[in-house]
Amino acid sequence: GENVEQHPSTLSVQEGDSAVIKCTYSDSASNYFPWYKQELGKGPQLIIDIRSNVGEKKDQRIAVTLNKTAKHFSLHITETQPEDSAVYFCAARREKLTFGTGTRLTIIP
Amino acid sequence: DAGVIQSPRHEVTEMGQEVTLRCKPISGHDYLFWYRQTMMRGLELLIYFNNNVPIDDSGMPEDRFSAKMPNASFSTLKIQPSEPRDSAVYFCASPPKAGRAYEQYFGPGTRLTVT
Repeated sequence: GENVEQHPSTLSVQEGDSAVIKCTYSDSASNYFPWYKQELGKGPQLIIDIRSNVGEKKDQRIAVTLNKTAKHFSLHITETQPEDSAVYFCAARREKLTFGTGTRLTIIP
Repeated sequence: DAGVIQSPRHEVTEMGQEVTLRCKPISGHDYLFWYRQTMMRGLELLIYFNNNVPIDDSGMPEDRFSAKMPNASFSTLKIQPSEPRDSAVYFCASPPKAGRAYEQYFGPGTRLTVT
């Protein structure tokens, strides 16, 4: 089955700087890669996603890149703000979603 | 649209008791997913339904777990008998509209504690 690895497990960034979280996947047939943000006591919230026929997608301060050859994808958050502090999960889907282990992002004011 | 609704939000029960978790998915969808989240194992898919029919239950830990979806607006996840190792947060997820199963929107979760 699919295996998704996510790095780093924790990340601290100064407010205003950029944050990058990286994931790799094992199943070359996976075709959909979402990113979720989870705040304390809440369910994961879909923040951005990318399909396998696209290399990059951007939504305001958030962008995701996909390298199908290398089987890795990344989340980029620019101009970070305190409200970006949360746990972020990547996932890969062939028939069902397989999640990474999460990255706890802390924005330092 | 109110999004995915789960109840109860918190459940504390004693080992051996039956526990029933409830989910009301986003209306008009055709898929529903149940996940479990723990520190040790992260987010795991337990089971998912398409048009009220269970499609893949390979993630259900053992026979103590069962799930039903009697109609498009309601699903239950039952644990009988419950054990301390079942303590976790259980999420239900559904797509925003039919035909977009890959976009999963999660409910707020039920935090289950089995003592």
